[in-house]
Amino acid sequence: DAGVTQSPTHLIKTRGQQVTLRCSPKSGHDTVSWYQQALGQGPQFIFQYYEEEERQRGNFPDRFSGHQFPNYSSELNVNALLLGDSALYLCASSGKVPNTGELFFGEGSRLTVL
Amino acid sequence: QQQVKQSPQSLIVQKGGISIINCAYENTAFDYFPWYQQFPGKGPALLIAIRPDVSEKKEGRFTISFNKSAKQFSLHIMDSQPGDSATYFCAASRYNFNKFYFGSGTKLNVKP
Repeated sequence: DAGVTQSPTHLIKTRGQQVTLRCSPKSGHDTVSWYQQALGQGPQFIFQYYEEEERQRGNFPDRFSGHQFPNYSSELNVNALLLGDSALYLCASSGKVPNTGELFFGEGSRLTVL
Repeated sequence: QQQVKQSPQSLIVQKGGISIINCAYENTAFDYFPWYQQFPGKGPALLIAIRPDVSEKKEGRFTISFNKSAKQFSLHIMDSQPGDSATYFCAASRYNFNKFYFGSGTKLNVKP
């Protein structure tokens, strides 16, 4: 049973560029959340997708956008990259009803903005 | 405003000792409080979680103590082992589990 998979593992971009990160949820899960984890900090909620819709959003600018596909996989897009966007981006999936509340995280995509 | 505050930032414990990590939260609407463990290069993984209707939950060497009136909860790791060396995050969520607020993390080092 595959867990949450994310790609790419690492990437380097320059300021002003755009990036797309991808996530496949754990088998049987239909909800995907994205978190940003800055170095030495806890994960910060970006948004959550369910039934291909953004269900909830954290305190992130519109430069951060996402998408969920019919197979429940998801993408995170960040436009006009800033140096401060350098972080580990974590995808987490959670299960269908009953939802136990447990988040299953992938290993993340490490983004460096130069 | 930080919704969940965690301390200490780092902790060194001898093998066999007790590790204690504390968290405080602001929003009384939170009703699910998990602890996650993260090893270098890995994503966080759920360790143990508690709902506010109980004051303590124990799973093996890991115990959560919960004080609803003080809006505080803590993780106790009994008989700490070098393999427990990791970063620990407390978190809080409302009942719908849509959005989790994480603490800033505690880096635990258990010395052999």
